[in-house]
Amino acid sequence: EPEVTQTPSHQVTQMGQEVILRCVPISNHLYFYWYRQILGQKVEFLVSFYNNEISEKSEIFDDQFSVERPDGSNFTLKIRSTKLEDSAMYFCASRGFGGGRNPAASNEQFFGPGTRLTVL
Amino acid sequence: AQSVAQPEDQVNVAEGNPLTVKCTYSVSGNPYLFWYVQYPNRGLQFLLKYITGDNLVKGSYGFEAEFNKSQTSFHLKKPSALVSDSALYFCAVRDIHSGNTPLVFGKGTRLSVIA
Repeated sequence: EPEVTQTPSHQVTQMGQEVILRCVPISNHLYFYWYRQILGQKVEFLVSFYNNEISEKSEIFDDQFSVERPDGSNFTLKIRSTKLEDSAMYFCASRGFGGGRNPAASNEQFFGPGTRLTVL
Repeated sequence: AQSVAQPEDQVNVAEGNPLTVKCTYSVSGNPYLFWYVQYPNRGLQFLLKYITGDNLVKGSYGFEAEFNKSQTSFHLKKPSALVSDSALYFCAVRDIHSGNTPLVFGKGTRLSVIA
């Protein structure tokens, strides 16, 4: 069964350093997302991406964050200068196209296992 | 704006007993509703969804959920709980008319099934 994969599973970095979190979405999916979950808190939306551009972003997704789909398979989240409060679990998700005659098709987002980012 | 409320931080149930994890939602239009489960140190696993059709939706691992439009609820249920069901459960909503808007999650409910 196809699945979303993420690397690394755990990233430890120093405050102020750049990190890149990588995701490989399910191959025929069209919509891509990043969410994060600070320890013990709820899952929060960061950004959505479709047709090679950001379609929506939250207040969390400030100028320190960027996303890219450089080669048609990987979907990356970059944090330019990490802060302590960026420590969280980061989840990538992808979704197929649901709509038209079969709105039920592929409406759920499939999540990767997450990358745990620890900023020291 | 969309929102989800999971009023219980923790639900405890004895193994073999029925369980309910509550969820209410708010959207401007019609909702797509989802339940996800998160086991320790793992990602989010899809359990079930309501898009259209029957209000009672059946999902993975024997879970089901009932969509109640008048009460704007989508409670997760299972007739007989297993110890292995112990995990963190998230309800999520998305407005069907909102294009590519993301899922909005509740804060999660920790289910503990006691042997």
